[in-house]
Amino acid sequence: EAQVTQNPRYLITVTGKKLTVTCSQNMNHEYMSWYRQDPGLGLRQIYYSMNVEVTDKGDVPEGYKVSRKEKRNFPLILESPSPNQTSLYFCASSLSPKLVNEQFFGPGTRLTVL
Amino acid sequence: GNSVTQMEGPVTLSEEAFLTINCTYTATGYPSLFWYVQYPGEGLQLLLKATKADDKGSNKGFEATYRKETTSFHLEKGSVQVSDSAVYFCALSTNNAGNMLTFGGGTRLMVKP
Repeated sequence: EAQVTQNPRYLITVTGKKLTVTCSQNMNHEYMSWYRQDPGLGLRQIYYSMNVEVTDKGDVPEGYKVSRKEKRNFPLILESPSPNQTSLYFCASSLSPKLVNEQFFGPGTRLTVL
Repeated sequence: GNSVTQMEGPVTLSEEAFLTINCTYTATGYPSLFWYVQYPGEGLQLLLKATKADDKGSNKGFEATYRKETTSFHLEKGSVQVSDSAVYFCALSTNNAGNMLTFGGGTRLMVKP
């Protein structure tokens, strides 16, 4: 089954404790991205990756890091989480960054930073 | 830059009522337009899309027409069901923005039996 998976689905942590949210897709997609969803603001892009070892900032990259060492994986790293990063996070992927294609979304990770 | 504006919710309707959720956009270049739906506790799913002016996207009884002259992509359904209760997001994507999706704020639809 073609899908985007994220782990964990729910996470409660404390300020300053490093964490990683994993994202994996099995569709051989070139393009992957991370979004955060906040009430009334819709989804805002954090980082995206056009291909392996190619990443770039989205609209709200501050406080986040990403890496793309393999095509299928695109982890989101919070080196020192803060309460304003409490949000619902979505990973997404699409076949190519050059064409306007639908993006497949993961199920979401709800993060609470105390 | 690109932006999407959609009507604030929640929108509360009775079953079998007509639904319209307004969406307008501003974009550089020639955007593709999308409606995504998010059911409770789930990720976003693509509902329908339109890639050029006057195209009509449709799926599951929902439809939206790409209106370049009014920069709009309103979502409509003739007869809503309780199972349509969800949050609906209008979004756009342009080739000159690295396939980035720009989302509206979302509209929560609640359908009562």
